[in-house]
Amino acid sequence: GAGVSQSPSNKVTEKGKDVELRCDPISGHTALYWYRQSLGQGLEFLIYFQGNSAPDKSGLPSDRFSAERTGGSVSTLTIQRTQQEDSAVYLCASRVRGTEPYNEQFFGPGTRLTVL
Amino acid sequence: DAKTTQPTSMDCAEGRAANLPCNHSTISGNEYVYWYRQIHSQGPQYIIHGLKNNETNEMASLIITEDRKSSTLILPHATLRDTAVYYCIVSGETSGSRLTFGEGTQLTVNP
Repeated sequence: GAGVSQSPSNKVTEKGKDVELRCDPISGHTALYWYRQSLGQGLEFLIYFQGNSAPDKSGLPSDRFSAERTGGSVSTLTIQRTQQEDSAVYLCASRVRGTEPYNEQFFGPGTRLTVL
Repeated sequence: DAKTTQPTSMDCAEGRAANLPCNHSTISGNEYVYWYRQIHSQGPQYIIHGLKNNETNEMASLIITEDRKSSTLILPHATLRDTAVYYCIVSGETSGSRLTFGEGTQLTVNP
């Protein structure tokens, strides 16, 4: 079956522009996560969606970052007024809720964002 | 979440067992130990998890010490495709199921 997909795979933008990154989770997965990985760094949690509950936004680094999940499926991460320090690989993961503590998150291939 | 400590890098000969250690001395009673790996330019991949008993699946074995302060991931017959960064993560329900990735161990399997 299809895994987690993300688009675009690569995005180059100019400083100050807005960007949208898309994530299509595995069908039936109710939990969705966004992480980012800067060059040579570990993964950093950004935001977590679970069903109709309010998302956990505690990892978003600034108010320029926002995310939404429509219809409990596709999610979009938006970065406004991009800065060079936003350059990173943005990873999306999904998971079947209700199987705690089996926390197997399925990751997509990521979107590599480069801010010039 | 409890903090984990792993060696920065390890080498292993192809076909031999790779034993990757992890210290998690501040782990609490309801936290699990998870292992993920990340092959270059790919997203992380779940390997295995455990609470206090040793676990085995088709990918690896997980040995957790009786005091739960450390664990070892064992790849019984390492192949070149096992070259990756291996992350040991401690997580419980209070974390909302987020995974806190540290620096991990870069395992290089040599021919």
